[in-house]
Amino acid sequence: QSALTQPASVSGSPGQSITISCTGTSSDVGGYNYVSWYQQHPGKAPRLMIYDVSNRPSGVSNRFSGSKSGNTASLTISGLQAEDEADYYCGSYTSSSTLYVFGSGTKVTVL
Amino acid sequence: EVQLVQSGAEVKKPGESLKISCKGSENSFTGYWIAWVRQMPGKGLEWMGIIYPGDSDTRYSPSFRGQVTISADMSITTTYLQWSSLKASDTAIYYCARHRSGRSTNHQYLFYYMDVWGKGTTVTVSS
Repeated sequence: QSALTQPASVSGSPGQSITISCTGTSSDVGGYNYVSWYQQHPGKAPRLMIYDVSNRPSGVSNRFSGSKSGNTASLTISGLQAEDEADYYCGSYTSSSTLYVFGSGTKVTVL
Repeated sequence: EVQLVQSGAEVKKPGESLKISCKGSENSFTGYWIAWVRQMPGKGLEWMGIIYPGDSDTRYSPSFRGQVTISADMSITTTYLQWSSLKASDTAIYYCARHRSGRSTNHQYLFYYMDVWGKGTTVTVSS
């Protein structure tokens, strides 16, 4: 099972909005509303930012939002801040024998 | 507090065995699946497998089946990841995480997302 496809890097200036895509197949992203997004700062454990496509856990800023269209999910960060600079991974349930799959990861740089 | 506490960093030689642990607080463990995730140096996250400590039901990603063993001891709310013969390519950070799940209409488990993560255990395998 290949990883879900994400752009290697996305950048933006403070205050801008950026969007990270996550492309899978009908066996994962497109077939189920179980897409999640994780933020990982260098040397730290991942942190859940979005679950079930568009839900935010308690404590996550409302500047983070998620959506999905067909086989592609997206994470949008609005009002970009320096603290948002990190790696972001999408994840999804998959009906394949892998059971769960991560995206390839996107490095977000705040210019 | 909901948390998962992982064992400390390990430095091993190729061919040696290893067992690392992940201890959960009662409310982070009971009734939940616990997953293991690998992150090789400078690389992304890889989902290795998952265990339900309540009955030790264990599932593996095909890439990791036969390479590692996941186990649990519910009496001490701890899960384990072990290798019988380490390779240099096992060098990585290993995370445990609480995995939210549900059941499909045909009773198949669906693994949704990971909401509580341990801090990770760094495993270095070098001669």
